[in-house]
Amino acid sequence: QKEVEQNSGPLSVPEGAIASLNCTYSDRGSQSFFWYRQYSGKSPELIMSIYSNGDKEDGRFTAQLNKASQYVSLLIRDSQPSDSATYLCAVWGSGGTSYGKLTFGQGTILTVHP
Amino acid sequence: SAVISQKPSRDICQRGTSLTIQCQVDSQVTMMFWYRQQPGQSLTLIATANQGSEATYESGFVIDKFPISRPNLTFSTLTVSNMSPEDSSIYLCSVANSPLGEKLFFGSGTQLSVL
Repeated sequence: QKEVEQNSGPLSVPEGAIASLNCTYSDRGSQSFFWYRQYSGKSPELIMSIYSNGDKEDGRFTAQLNKASQYVSLLIRDSQPSDSATYLCAVWGSGGTSYGKLTFGQGTILTVHP
Repeated sequence: SAVISQKPSRDICQRGTSLTIQCQVDSQVTMMFWYRQQPGQSLTLIATANQGSEATYESGFVIDKFPISRPNLTFSTLTVSNMSPEDSSIYLCSVANSPLGEKLFFGSGTQLSVL
């Protein structure tokens, strides 16, 4: 089982729709979770962090965390073509080989078409 | 967030040669990391660059292949030694902007192609 797994893409949504990106993780003790956006040919940039169960909203972005289910998601409302990118889920490890480092999922490619 | 300058931005190298990648940060940072992103893949941590001591390498990465220097709190280098085509990848320097090191910011990356 991969330590951080994202739903397979690519994901294509029409402009104005809600894009839903999902991520599961194996380290039950993890407390810190992040979403990075990576445009083609660019380096990743941090767009959301979440530490507590529930929802965290920032503009059109909402991160959702359920530690019991070991599940974190990112919702993008009113999707725009400029949101087209690869979205990487990252989990801060709490123990074992993952302790003290950030582990990334394989990424989900999102395309928002006009 | 810190401004991270990484160079070269890209290079094409011959098999068997070495390339040194430089990472300069505009402020002192405790934690610096080197990642690799192979084509179509996610990010894999190569090592943590420790100031004043040897780097801490992840499983599958060794010092002889990827020597790292960290002479001060604003600068680090990663060398890719004795390169083969399998080393073709993007190499990314990153710094932590949080006490534990969990919030990372990345340099612009080095696109390496080995012929």
